[in-house]
Amino acid sequence: EVQLLQSGGGLIQPGGSLRLSCAASGLTFRSYAMAWVRQAPGKGLEWVSTISGSGSDTYYADSVQGRFTISRDNSRSTLYLYMHNLRAEDTAIYYCAKLPDVVIVPAASRGYFDYWGQGALVTVSS
Amino acid sequence: DIQMTQSPSSLSASVGDRVIITCRASQNIDYYLNWYHHKPGKAPQLLISAVSTLESGFPSRFSGSASGTDFTLTISSLQPEDVGTYYCQQSYGTSYSFGQGTKVEIK
Repeated sequence: EVQLLQSGGGLIQPGGSLRLSCAASGLTFRSYAMAWVRQAPGKGLEWVSTISGSGSDTYYADSVQGRFTISRDNSRSTLYLYMHNLRAEDTAIYYCAKLPDVVIVPAASRGYFDYWGQGALVTVSS
Repeated sequence: DIQMTQSPSSLSASVGDRVIITCRASQNIDYYLNWYHHKPGKAPQLLISAVSTLESGFPSRFSGSASGTDFTLTISSLQPEDVGTYYCQQSYGTSYSFGQGTKVEIK
């Protein structure tokens, strides 16, 4: 059974940094692309970032480009999201999610999120 | 970037009613359209992938279809456990996007 167990999150001041982790089990981790999706309070789902199975390819939403970094340690079956220069509008529940393919190829990869972590709340406030 | 316009934003229907949720893409996305069901306090669940492939664990009263850049999620007979928010998501390029969501309640 695929399981994604998240850790990290919490209260952080504007301008601060935080790291989220997502430990995967029940799958060959390096064989799947992974992603982060967030939900701000009272808002809908927002895709944040995606990383290929090898970690060589990464993609970001415009709202986080240059401030967030997605990475993975396939030896530890763990996904990370490093968040810098945090803003109040980054306050959200952050979910890690698994994709069904190892690479992200436009109009070829399936690109859906078939397994999700339990979520981690990040609150950016002074 | 591809924009997804979902409607309605909310609806209230009776048990047994047929419910239809629509999603329109701002450009061609072929069949790279997925639907999720999200209940408060829980992680979203993949409901339908590639327009019409129903995920295991979900009943056959859920179905999806497409016409050009318009996509539809249909619940043929609404049940109490179907409440929550439904989101469409396009996965055509490398920058993904969700619709705004449709909150479904029981009347």
